[in-house]
Amino acid sequence: QSALTQPASVSGSPGRSITISCTGTSSDFGGYRYVSWYQQPPGKAPKLMIYDVTNRPSGVSNRFSGSKSGNTASLTISGLQAEDEADYYCSSYTNISTPYVFGTGTKVTVL
Amino acid sequence: EVQLVESGGGLVQPGGSLRLSCEGSGFTFSRSWMIWGRQAPRKGLEWVANIKEDGSEKYYVDSVKGRFTISRDNAKNSLYLQMNSLRAEDTAVYYCARDLGYLGLDTWGQGTLVTVSP
Repeated sequence: QSALTQPASVSGSPGRSITISCTGTSSDFGGYRYVSWYQQPPGKAPKLMIYDVTNRPSGVSNRFSGSKSGNTASLTISGLQAEDEADYYCSSYTNISTPYVFGTGTKVTVL
Repeated sequence: EVQLVESGGGLVQPGGSLRLSCEGSGFTFSRSWMIWGRQAPRKGLEWVANIKEDGSEKYYVDSVKGRFTISRDNAKNSLYLQMNSLRAEDTAVYYCARDLGYLGLDTWGQGTLVTVSP
């Protein structure tokens, strides 16, 4: 399966909102709603930010929210902060034998 | 605290072998699916292999089938990745993670760098 398509970069001013898109095919998303999002600061490991499209793990700020429409999932960061600068990856869970397809990644810059 | 710690990375020549380890703590390791993922330099994330709680099911990305073997020792709370016939394109930071399936990969290790070069 091909990687999911994300914009290479997104930027925004502190306090503003940004949205990162993640586009797949019907085989990636069709019939499956299991989209997750990961934050990866420079030189660090990924961190789960959103699972099952809209859910936040305990401890993740409510400034992060997820949604999906058709073959496109989205991550919105509201009230942008300097600490939000990182790479962000979407992922689609399909099945046990080929579980995870990741997006191409988006670099978020806080201006 | 739920934690995963990888080890075993390093520099290896093409065609060589390496064994990565990942030790878990702070959770019931024996009840968790686990995965290995990797990230090539300046590239995105890639799933490499995953293994069922009891080790009875294992799955691999096509590019490593027949060369890599995922295994686990629940008595030691440890996950392994035996990598043989290594190629330059296997150069990456390798991560282990706890696999919650459709609930995502909720815990990641810090990663260990594997460099395949003459």
